[in-house]
Amino acid sequence: AQSVTQLDSQVPVFEEAPVELRCNYSSSVSVYLFWYVQYPNQGLQLLLKYLSGSTLVKGINGFEAEFNKSQTSFHLRKPSVHISDTAEYFCAVIRNSGNTPLVFGKGTRLSVIA
Amino acid sequence: DGGITQSPKYLFRKEGQNVTLSCEQNLNHDAMYWYRQDPGQGLRLIYYSQIVNDFQKGDIAEGYSVSREKKESFPLTVTSAQKNPTAFYLCASSKGQGTEKLFFGSGTQLSVL
Repeated sequence: AQSVTQLDSQVPVFEEAPVELRCNYSSSVSVYLFWYVQYPNQGLQLLLKYLSGSTLVKGINGFEAEFNKSQTSFHLRKPSVHISDTAEYFCAVIRNSGNTPLVFGKGTRLSVIA
Repeated sequence: DGGITQSPKYLFRKEGQNVTLSCEQNLNHDAMYWYRQDPGQGLRLIYYSQIVNDFQKGDIAEGYSVSREKKESFPLTVTSAQKNPTAFYLCASSKGQGTEKLFFGSGTQLSVL
C-alpha cells in the first residue's frame, strides 16, 4: 500500500520569504505524486502533479516541486510567498497501475506573516 | 458553470439519527469519492465509485453508506452506527482514476447535537 508523510504540520513564514513544504512517500511500486491546496472552508484544488519525465514540476501560483526517487520525496517550494498563500497543503500519492484512489497526507498548514 | 455541489453546507445530527449528505456533479465524470477531514488527520477515504451502480469501501467505511444510481449523484448517509460523525465531509469527482485531477466540492460540516 502507498502512504504519504508530511513532515511539518504547521509552517509559519514571513511574506516574501521562500518556503519548502516537505513530503515523503512510501511505496513498493512506481507512483504518481500530487500537491493540492485548501483555502479556508473550501474544497481542494490541484497545484501540480508528477507523472513522469522531468523531475522538476511547475504548478499554479508560482509553486514547484521536485521528485526525488532515491529519497522518496516530493517537496513543494515557492521562492517568495504572499499573504494569499496562507492555506493548508496536502501531498497525495497514487500507484501508477490499476485503479486505486489517491492517498493523502495529513496536511501542512502554511501561515504567511506580514 | 460545471462543478460539484455539496449540500447542505452545515448539518446537525441528533443521537441515533441517520443523515444524508448530497453531492451532485455536472462534469460528466465517471468516478466520485467521499472523504472525511478531521483537524490534523488529513483526508481519509470513506467510499468511492468508478461507475454507476458500483462502489467500493475506502479506509473508514464503517458507519457510512452510499448509493450511485445516477452518474451525477453520489449521496452519503451517515448512519447511527457512526459514533463520531463530527467532521468536514468532502465530495470529489474525476473523469477516471489514476492520473486524473480530482475536482472537489466546497464541503459539508456535520456536527452532533
